[in-house]
Amino acid sequence: QVTLKESGPALVKPTQTLTLTCTFSGFSLDTTGMRMSWIRQPPGKALEWLARIDWNDDKFYRTSLKTRLTISKDTSGNQVVLSMTNMDPMDTATYYCARTCGSGGNSWFDIWGQGTAVTVSS
Amino acid sequence: DIQMTQSPSTLSAFVGDRVTITCRASQDITDWLAWYQQKPGKAPKLLVYKASSLESGVPSRFSGSGSGTEFTLTISGLQPDDFATYYCQQYGSYSYTFGQGTKLEIK
Repeated sequence: QVTLKESGPALVKPTQTLTLTCTFSGFSLDTTGMRMSWIRQPPGKALEWLARIDWNDDKFYRTSLKTRLTISKDTSGNQVVLSMTNMDPMDTATYYCARTCGSGGNSWFDIWGQGTAVTVSS
Repeated sequence: DIQMTQSPSTLSAFVGDRVTITCRASQDITDWLAWYQQKPGKAPKLLVYKASSLESGVPSRFSGSGSGTEFTLTISGLQPDDFATYYCQQYGSYSYTFGQGTKLEIK
């Protein structure tokens, strides 16, 4: 059974760096073709893809946020980490990790974590 | 980035109805489109990928169609469990964007 769970701070201050961890089970990110993504959803708004990391450590980022995002993996611990610098109240959202299907540049998200809510406020 | 526009934003229907949600892409995405269902306070659930491929375990009353720039999600014989918000997502060229969502309400 595949499961994913996000963890991290519920509250961060403006200008701080947010670090979120996704811990997963039921598959390995070492396996050829495996990928993981982070997606967020501001309250009452639509979903927004943020970043993707592949089994071979290739990384892809949302163009508009590329300078603020870093995605990494710890395959031994079955974890994927997302860092976002210079947090702003507009970054308040629920952040999801998701197993990512597809090949090449094409990706859809078949299994999602429950999400973790992050509020940016002083 | 490719923009995705869903219509309608809100849809009211009765249990048993057949409903269709439309998603339009700002440029040709061939069949690189997925549909998700989201209930309040829950993560999205994958329903359809590659425009018309039903994800394993999803009831057959859900179906997807379309190619190029226009796509539809059809639910035939609405069940009480289907009242939720639905999102389309395009996934071409290392850039993934979602529609703004369609909220399906009970009439």
